[in-house]
Order: sequence, then C-alpha cells, then structure tokens
Amino acid sequence: DTEVTQTPKHLVMGMTNKKSLKCEQHMGHRAMYWYKQKAKKPPELMFVYSYEKLSINESVPSRFSPECPNSSLLNLHLHALQPEDSALYLCASSQDREASGANVLTFGAGSRLTVL
Amino acid sequence: GEDVEQSLFLSVREGDSSVINCTYTDSSSTYLYWYKQEPGAGLQLLTYIFSNMDMKQDQRLTVLLNKKDKHLSLRIADTQTGDSAIYFCAEPTMDSNYQLIWGAGTKLIIKP
Repeated sequence: DTEVTQTPKHLVMGMTNKKSLKCEQHMGHRAMYWYKQKAKKPPELMFVYSYEKLSINESVPSRFSPECPNSSLLNLHLHALQPEDSALYLCASSQDREASGANVLTFGAGSRLTVL
Repeated sequence: GEDVEQSLFLSVREGDSSVINCTYTDSSSTYLYWYKQEPGAGLQLLTYIFSNMDMKQDQRLTVLLNKKDKHLSLRIADTQTGDSAIYFCAEPTMDSNYQLIWGAGTKLIIKP
C-alpha cells in the first residue's frame, strides 16, 4: 500500500459546526503532516507529527485541532471555522528524515472544505 | 529570508521539451524537490536531487542543478497532454527537514 487516504473528499460546514478530517497511511511512515492549500497557491504547512508527537505547529488558530491516535492515523478537528478557512486540506506522510536524507512526502488527494 | 521563485506559467507545444526553472536562496540545502499537482488532486513527488549532483535523469525527466547560481531546472522531454499540471520546486528550511519552502508553482499548458 503506497497511498495516503483522506476522507471526506468534500465537506461543507457552517461556522458553528464541528467536523473532522481524517487521514490514513499504511506505509510505516512515522511523520505525518497537515497542509492547507488555497487555489493557485503552494501548500502551507500547518502541523507535523513525528512518532505520534506534535513536532511542529505553524501558529495555526486553535479552531484547528490535530490529533494523531496512532502511527497510521491523523485527524484534523474543525470547530467555529471562518469562510476564509475554505481551502483544500492535504495530508502527507514521510519516513521521517528530520536529521538527514531526502524527506520525500507522499500526499493524499485532499479534502476540499467549504465554510459557509 | 529564505525564498524559492518560479515563473507562474509555461506554454509548450505537444511533443516539444518543457523547461521549468526555479531559483532558491538557501545554499545549505542538501536536497531539492520537484512535485507535480494535477487538477483536483494532491501533490506527487516527481524527482529530487542531492546538492552534490549537477544532473539527474529519470526517463523523460532531467533535473539540472547550478549551485553557484542557485538555479534548478526541470526538463520534460516529448511533452504530452498528460503533463498538464502545476509543478512546484521546494527546498527544506534551514531549521527543519520537515518544513519546505515552496515555489509559487509553474502551470504547464500544452498546446496541440
């Protein structure tokens, strides 16, 4: 299995809703990432988990809450989002090359979020 | 600060070669990456090059690295309609191998 699977593919939510995005990989990768991508822009890093511990939080607002229940799963809990949070949310994983070596990311297809 | 720059668009005829250029600022980067994003999809790694190499070839793809000028290029030979996508170059930040600095992405448009 060489894939990163993200669900749902599309999500529409109101500003008062609570929802979650899910990501799963079975490649034995020990680093997992959440990125946000606006149309026609490069991806922006939000969070990195390394060995199930939060390693990087890029000053993301608290209405986004990541969770890594085990080495294969990554969630992003969403609460009280704003319309400007509408974007493509990409999950990625890698073998964990913090110190050296190429750190190749495998991306999921993304969850397209619309906040009304 | 650290920056990666790419032109936003490239238009080529089907069957011609495409050359996508990228300049970067961090000369200590050990690896430089090319990712491809097709419409409505996530990103996929195309190739990467280690900084002690000048060139890397993989089937239709050739990567050239000029460390002196901090210039990276991706050549796609015999460009096909399936190559239509946005191509991002990226380098790790000085602080962490987890964090990448991404170029703005070059949209490759194929003319019949």
